[in-house]
Amino acid sequence: AQSVTQPDIHITVSEGASLELRCNYSYGATPYLFWYVQSPGQGLQLLLKYFSGDTLVQGIKGFEAEFKRSQSSFNLRKPSVHWSDAAEYFCAVGATSYGKLTFGQGTILTVHP
Amino acid sequence: DSGVTQTPKHLITATGQRVTLRCSPRSGDLSVYWYQQSLDQGLQFLIQYYNGEERAKGNILERFSAQQFPDLHSELNLSSLELGDSALYFCASSALMGTDTQYFGPGTRLTVL
Repeated sequence: AQSVTQPDIHITVSEGASLELRCNYSYGATPYLFWYVQSPGQGLQLLLKYFSGDTLVQGIKGFEAEFKRSQSSFNLRKPSVHWSDAAEYFCAVGATSYGKLTFGQGTILTVHP
Repeated sequence: DSGVTQTPKHLITATGQRVTLRCSPRSGDLSVYWYQQSLDQGLQFLIQYYNGEERAKGNILERFSAQQFPDLHSELNLSSLELGDSALYFCASSALMGTDTQYFGPGTRLTVL
């Protein structure tokens, strides 16, 4: 069965600092990986996705993620955080056959001015 | 705006009642997914429909059912409601299945009193 672990429930960074959110997955085949962001009272917005190819994936809002098969990880990074990045971030792994997404528990990001 | 619409935005009802949540997918998308987001369970996949047919089931209770209509909109029916059913219910849609990106609606917040 597929699973996703986000080890950090809550992360606080200062505006302008770099950010890395961790994600570890378990999946029997080639994983299809996603990062979504949820602002308070909003739905989930796709930041980026990895299906195959280049293991460094660029997304929207200046985010990137790196797929590391040997570590079963797909960590999300941003070089300089903005106050508007404060939100909850979800990592997800997708089933190839029918698309079911399995989400991690989420990481809440707080940004200090 | 993802293009996925959900109604109503909020729903407050009593235990034992039945409610229907509605989802309209993005134009042209054939797949609809339902997810439940609660504090204790996180984001969980409930069920998927593709072009009117059920394709995958997750941890969906027997008291819950769904369908996708010929115009591709979907409804999630929740009956014999319990306090623990209080949650945010998301609908997502994708063009096909498998690895297609899922676009999420804003959700319906259900409160059972």
